[in-house]
Amino acid sequence: DQQVKQNSPSLSVQEGRISILNCDYTNSMFDYFLWYKKYPAEGPTFLISISSIKDKNEDGRFTVFLNKSAKHLSLHIVPSQPGDSAVYFCAAGNTGNQFYFGTGTSLTVIP
Amino acid sequence: EAGVVQSPRYKIIEKKQPVAFWCNPISGHNTLYWYLQNLGQGPELLIRYENEEAVDDSQLPKDRFSAERLKGVDSTLKIQPAELGDSAVYLCASSSSPGSTDTQYFGPGTRLTVL
Repeated sequence: DQQVKQNSPSLSVQEGRISILNCDYTNSMFDYFLWYKKYPAEGPTFLISISSIKDKNEDGRFTVFLNKSAKHLSLHIVPSQPGDSAVYFCAAGNTGNQFYFGTGTSLTVIP
Repeated sequence: EAGVVQSPRYKIIEKKQPVAFWCNPISGHNTLYWYLQNLGQGPELLIRYENEEAVDDSQLPKDRFSAERLKGVDSTLKIQPAELGDSAVYLCASSSSPGSTDTQYFGPGTRLTVL
């Protein structure tokens, strides 16, 4: 049973525009959420996180939004750059316990 | 700072053969994770170590999989015997404190192909 879902396997965006990647989770008790970025033949690298006490966290071009009532989070990348082309995984869980990963969204930023 | 090191990067074996993967976490990281990633899926936790203790191995298929982290640093994941369905990427990750929300740093993974 998939606890974290990324329903869009792929996304294409023009350079300079906004990329929005979505993630849904099923367990309302999850209190911490992360986004990872993965290039081919490399392991995932941490991008940005948010705790359940916040609804927004921003780091440069990357912003994560959390809607606890909808059990939904999203990653916004503004402006998108060709180097952002990668697979993005969201992960959710509880501090001190296992984190569950989504199936990933492959982002392509078109120059 | 050196990252998480895994070897080998690629392994091709025939079914029923044994295979082992090695992981060296980031220096000072007490928590070590082994994940399995199937094609088109996200990483799935197999086992989590706090120092040398396996604190969560509920997802590890214990009939054929085993892991160890004898001195609380390096870790080895073994499959014996391997089956066709074990073909996947095996990822190792480490973090600095127990079950923390600190970043998990991933290694590049070992891609296993079972023929």
